[in-house]
Amino acid sequence: AQSVTQPDIHITVSEGASLELRCNYSYGATPYLFWYVQSPGQGLQLLLKYFSGDTLVQGIKGFEAEFKRSQSSFNLRKPSVHWSDAAEYFCAVRIKAAGNKLTFGGGTRVLVKP
Amino acid sequence: EAGVAQSPRYKIIEKRQSVAFWCNPISGHATLYWYQQILGQGPKLLIQFQNNGVVDDSQLPKDRFSAERLKGVDSTLKIQPAKLEDSAVYLCASSFPRGQANTGELFFGEGSRLTVL
Repeated sequence: AQSVTQPDIHITVSEGASLELRCNYSYGATPYLFWYVQSPGQGLQLLLKYFSGDTLVQGIKGFEAEFKRSQSSFNLRKPSVHWSDAAEYFCAVRIKAAGNKLTFGGGTRVLVKP
Repeated sequence: EAGVAQSPRYKIIEKRQSVAFWCNPISGHATLYWYQQILGQGPKLLIQFQNNGVVDDSQLPKDRFSAERLKGVDSTLKIQPAKLEDSAVYLCASSFPRGQANTGELFFGEGSRLTVL
């Protein structure tokens, strides 16, 4: 079965510092990859997605992610975080051969220090 | 454009009672999903509808959970009887399939938070 791993449960970063969130998936085929953000009490909002082509994708709110096939990874980055980036971030994988089901990782909670 | 609407936002019940959640997807979205998100975990798909037909309900605990989308628009998720471990946020999402790849983005509602005492 496909699985998505986000190794870091919590990350604390200072405002203005860079941020990188890790995501690894386990499946032989190339998946569709997504990053969602969830603010407290809110639903999930799509930050960015990768289907094919350029492995570096740009998203909303200044986020980007890089797909590395050799490492089965899709890490999310932001050069300079803002206090409003404090939220929970979920990586998700969708594989056509597996019925197109969207499978989420366990999430990484980001805390931003002033 | 209106987003995915869910109600109620919060519900507290005692174990063995029943509860129902309602979802109205974005207009025109053929695919509707119900996810369960337990505190500290990522969302887990419970059931996926394509129009009014079930595509995937492999992770739906069918002895206590049921869902329907009779007219292919809004949907109801029911739990009867509820257990303590059903305490979670129930997220509804919808998408409009893009051709055969079905890579359409999922749009999520704000969720219904259930507490079972």
